Amino acid sequence: NAGVTQTPKFQVLKTGQSMTLQCAQDMNHNSMYWYRQDPGMGLRLIYYSASEGTTDKGEVPNGYNVSRLNKREFSLRLESAAPSQTSVYFCASSVHFNEQFFGPGTRLTVL
Amino acid sequence: GNSVTQMEGPVTLSEEAFLTINCTYTATGYPSLFWYVQYPGEGLQLLLKATKADDKGSNKGFEATYRKETTSFHLEKGSVQVSDSAVYFCALRGGSYIPTFGRGTSLIVHP
Repeated sequence: NAGVTQTPKFQVLKTGQSMTLQCAQDMNHNSMYWYRQDPGMGLRLIYYSASEGTTDKGEVPNGYNVSRLNKREFSLRLESAAPSQTSVYFCASSVHFNEQFFGPGTRLTVL
Repeated sequence: GNSVTQMEGPVTLSEEAFLTINCTYTATGYPSLFWYVQYPGEGLQLLLKATKADDKGSNKGFEATYRKETTSFHLEKGSVQVSDSAVYFCALRGGSYIPTFGRGTSLIVHP
């Protein structure tokens, strides 16, 4: 099993560009999450999906959109990137909000 | 709302020293508690968990006991190794089911 996979691993964008971060899990988990990690701030929840067909805002949703494409895949879209969105982004999955399994992260720089 | 407070790092120890990383929480009801570890350049991975009061989670020589009376879940290890150098996150899952993470504690172990 690959667990949780994320693409791309690294990305550099210019202000105003858009992009989609992809996440997939092969563990048949119901719940999926997107976090951002910034120095000194720990992990902050952007959006989550409790089950296929549902998505909800987390702590810092502004500037992001998500799509739960199917049970396996949960994507995060930046419509118009800003330097404040420079961060490391982690996708995670779990069975009904129990312990989470994390992907390796996407390191995003917005110039 | 729910919250998790961890001791600030970095914690710097010599190899074979005793480790304690403090974690206290605020939550209604009976949350599940977790410790995650993040090695450099990687995503978080579950280290141990406890789901009810007085439970002890353990893994790889690390232990933590769920203390409801003091709302604490301190992480301990009797003899740390250089390979334990990482960032450690305390987390809870409460009645709202949304995970809450502490800000992380960096551990540096010197030979």
